[in-house]
Amino acid sequence: QAVVTQEPSLTVSPGGTVSLTCGSSTGPVTSGHYPCWFQQKPGQAPRTLIYDTSKKHSWTPARVSGSLLGGKAALTLSGALPEDEAEYFCLLSYPGGVVFGGGTKLTVL
Amino acid sequence: EVQLVQSGAEVKKPGESLRISCKGSGYSFTTYWINWVRQMPGKGLEWMGKIDPTVSSTTYSPSFQRHVTISADKSISTAYLQWSSLKASDSAMYYCLRGDLWPWGQGTLVTVSS
Repeated sequence: QAVVTQEPSLTVSPGGTVSLTCGSSTGPVTSGHYPCWFQQKPGQAPRTLIYDTSKKHSWTPARVSGSLLGGKAALTLSGALPEDEAEYFCLLSYPGGVVFGGGTKLTVL
Repeated sequence: EVQLVQSGAEVKKPGESLRISCKGSGYSFTTYWINWVRQMPGKGLEWMGKIDPTVSSTTYSPSFQRHVTISADKSISTAYLQWSSLKASDSAMYYCLRGDLWPWGQGTLVTVSS
């Protein structure tokens, strides 16, 4: 079974820009993995931010974007706000199923 | 409004059986698969498996294949996750998630303790 890797933790200053990445043990992440990104705050269910690499839902803040970067999927927050402090999980699709990354705890400080 | 509504929290003893549910509304339930996701306390998300409600075809993660059963009743737009013999290590929050990866259910907390 594939292993999906994320940075365990990152810190960004308010107003700053940060990129979270999502790698695959099987090789480069491509659009064929249909990367998705979820945000989860303590005590809440996850919320889907990005699907199919870069597509947004109506509730996805404009400061959030998804892309492929250096063989990985990436989630970029530009102009970070205190409410962006949360855990972020990526998900990649493989034949037969999907695999979540371990999550990145993002601190806005 | 498109939503998935899950059954309430459960407290069970080791060895007991359990079935939790996920009811879809606001869309055609047979259009999308339903995924089940586990989150153990303080840990990340783990994909358990999915079901096509149209024909009840299932796919399981190898990690969960022999321990849980996923089923669905399309007549009442409901998917299920069940255990025949719970273990303490099954204590976790369980989420359902529509096949296009939105929306999420609100989660069902399962506690297994003697």
